Amino acid sequence: NAGVMQNPRHLVRRRGQEARLRCSPMKGHSHVYWYRQLPEEGLKFMVYLQKENIIDESGMPKERFSAEFPKEGPSILRIQQVVRGDSAAYFCASSQGQGVSATYGYTFGSGTRLTVV
Amino acid sequence: GQQVMQIPQYQHVQEGEDFTTYCNSSTTLSNIQWYKQRPGGHPVFLIQLVKSGEVKKQKRLTFQFGEAKKNSSLHITATQTTDVGTYFCAGNSGGGADGLTFGKGTHLIIQP
Repeated sequence: NAGVMQNPRHLVRRRGQEARLRCSPMKGHSHVYWYRQLPEEGLKFMVYLQKENIIDESGMPKERFSAEFPKEGPSILRIQQVVRGDSAAYFCASSQGQGVSATYGYTFGSGTRLTVV
Repeated sequence: GQQVMQIPQYQHVQEGEDFTTYCNSSTTLSNIQWYKQRPGGHPVFLIQLVKSGEVKKQKRLTFQFGEAKKNSSLHITATQTTDVGTYFCAGNSGGGADGLTFGKGTHLIIQP
């Protein structure tokens, strides 16, 4: 039973390019969360999605960032026109749901380390 | 918005010594979760506490949830080198979004 799969593990983009980060949740999980982590910092919540729906995007910057979780395929976090300040580790997590997540917590992927040069 | 604070930010201990990290929330939590992240790794779920005053143990790790459900602690007895990493608490205020708010973590450094 594969865990949360994120790709790519490392991504280098030049300023102004687009970055696409992918996340396939754990089998049986229908809730996906994206977090950003800067070095020596905690995890900052960005967005919470269920299939075809954005539930909470209160942590997402208003511009350049978007996320989706289509009916088929992985969840995508897209960053347009990247700037150096976007360099960070982006973690995706999944859970079975609100009630069950209370018992089993979030399962995190290995993250995508984005470097903007 | 909800804030979760953790202290200390860094903790150096000799192998075999005990270690404690503390977590405080600005709001009452419906539950609190603890995660461990090894250097270069990803967060791994350790435990969830739900009830006021709850205490749970996992081998050398003891987790507590405060009576007011606004604070929590993780205590490790007789640390080992395998305990190295960053320990995060994460709170859920039960607002419906189910998105966890993480503290900044406590980095545990163990000197052999």
